[in-house]
Amino acid sequence: GENVEQHPSTLSVQEGDSAVIKCTYSDSASNYFPWYKQELGKRPQLIIDIRSNVGEKKDQRIAVTLNKTAKHFSLHITETQPEDSAVYFCAASIQGAQKLVFGQGTRLTINP
Amino acid sequence: SAVISQKPSRDICQRGTSLTIQCQVDSQVTMMFWYRQQPGQSLTLIATANQGSEATYESGFVIDKFPISRPNLTFSTLTVSNMSPEDSSIYLCSATGGYGYTFGSGTRLTVV
Repeated sequence: GENVEQHPSTLSVQEGDSAVIKCTYSDSASNYFPWYKQELGKRPQLIIDIRSNVGEKKDQRIAVTLNKTAKHFSLHITETQPEDSAVYFCAASIQGAQKLVFGQGTRLTINP
Repeated sequence: SAVISQKPSRDICQRGTSLTIQCQVDSQVTMMFWYRQQPGQSLTLIATANQGSEATYESGFVIDKFPISRPNLTFSTLTVSNMSPEDSSIYLCSATGGYGYTFGSGTRLTVV
């Protein structure tokens, strides 16, 4: 089955700097890679996702890149703000057909 | 994307008892899932709730402990049976209609 590894487990950056979180997956059949943001006591919220037919996707300050050959994908947050502080999870699945498998999570702290 | 209503939001239960958690989706979805999230941890899949048939359980989770029902395309229940303090956790349901996975608000369970 699918296995998703996420690094780093914690990340602290200065406000305005960029943050990068990386994930690798094991199942080459996976074709859908979402990223979730979870604030304390809240449900995971989808912030961006990418399908395997695309190498990069951007939404304002957030971007995701995918390398299918190496089976890894990354989340990039630019111009970080204090409200970006949260736990971020990557995940992988075969879209619409299978369960979503999560990485271990990254606790991102933005220092003012 | 679908909106999921999950209840109860929290409960404190005596060991040895059972609790049933309900999730109602506002539209028909193809797949529903149940996750457990220990404090400070990632989301671990308990099972896939199959409409009209037995759920598909992940390794380490069994039907006798976590019976699941999904009588139609928009509703599912998870029962945590014969609870012990180790079952204290957050339980979340998730659903997908073919694109994107959304989550219920979670049930915070404390077993005393």
